Amino acid sequence: DGGITQSPKYLFRKEGQNVTLSCEQNLNHDAMYWYRQDPGQGLRLIYYSQIVNDFQKGDIAEGYSVSREKKESFPLTVTSAQKNPTAFYLCASIPGPGEGPGEAFFGQGTRLTVV
Amino acid sequence: KNQVEQSPQSLIILEGKNCTLQCNYTVSPFSNLRWYKQDTGRGPVSLTIMTFSENTKSNGRYTATLDADTKQSSLHITASQLSDSASYICVVSASNFGNEKLTFGTGTRLTIIP
Repeated sequence: DGGITQSPKYLFRKEGQNVTLSCEQNLNHDAMYWYRQDPGQGLRLIYYSQIVNDFQKGDIAEGYSVSREKKESFPLTVTSAQKNPTAFYLCASIPGPGEGPGEAFFGQGTRLTVV
Repeated sequence: KNQVEQSPQSLIILEGKNCTLQCNYTVSPFSNLRWYKQDTGRGPVSLTIMTFSENTKSNGRYTATLDADTKQSSLHITASQLSDSASYICVVSASNFGNEKLTFGTGTRLTIIP
């Protein structure tokens, strides 16, 4: 089945550690996005990528890094520079431009907790 | 600054009743408006997506409306079921030269009680 998969579902990180969240899609979508969701707030954009080997900072990119070496994969690294990383992280993918209003598909999320 | 505001923040209704959720936005240039349902601890799932030229779209018991002049949308849920308990998120897309940027509302938390 086509879809977007995030792993792991739950992740615990010690202070000072870097951790990488996985996001894989087999929908052949060009654009992929990483969002952070905190209680009582809308989803905030961390990074996005419109095409392989290219990505752009979103509204809250500090303390995060990404790569887009393959169309299917868009991993997010939460670095030790991120001051408050405990949150629910969502990955999404959307078809490329020219394909009409793209349906955004979301993964099931990764809940990251700093211990 | 692009913004999406939803109301109410939370809503509790009896099973079988109808309800309407509101979304006001200031997003430019407007491309499309989406409603998502998000269960606790899960990713959002799409309910409807509407472009500028569409003013209503249904998906089963869910009906979304869009007034592009007043920049308002509503999501009407008919004959609510316990499984409708979730957060409902309004998302407005701005598109510039093919780059699509989504602005999310904070959601309405809907609770259906038996």
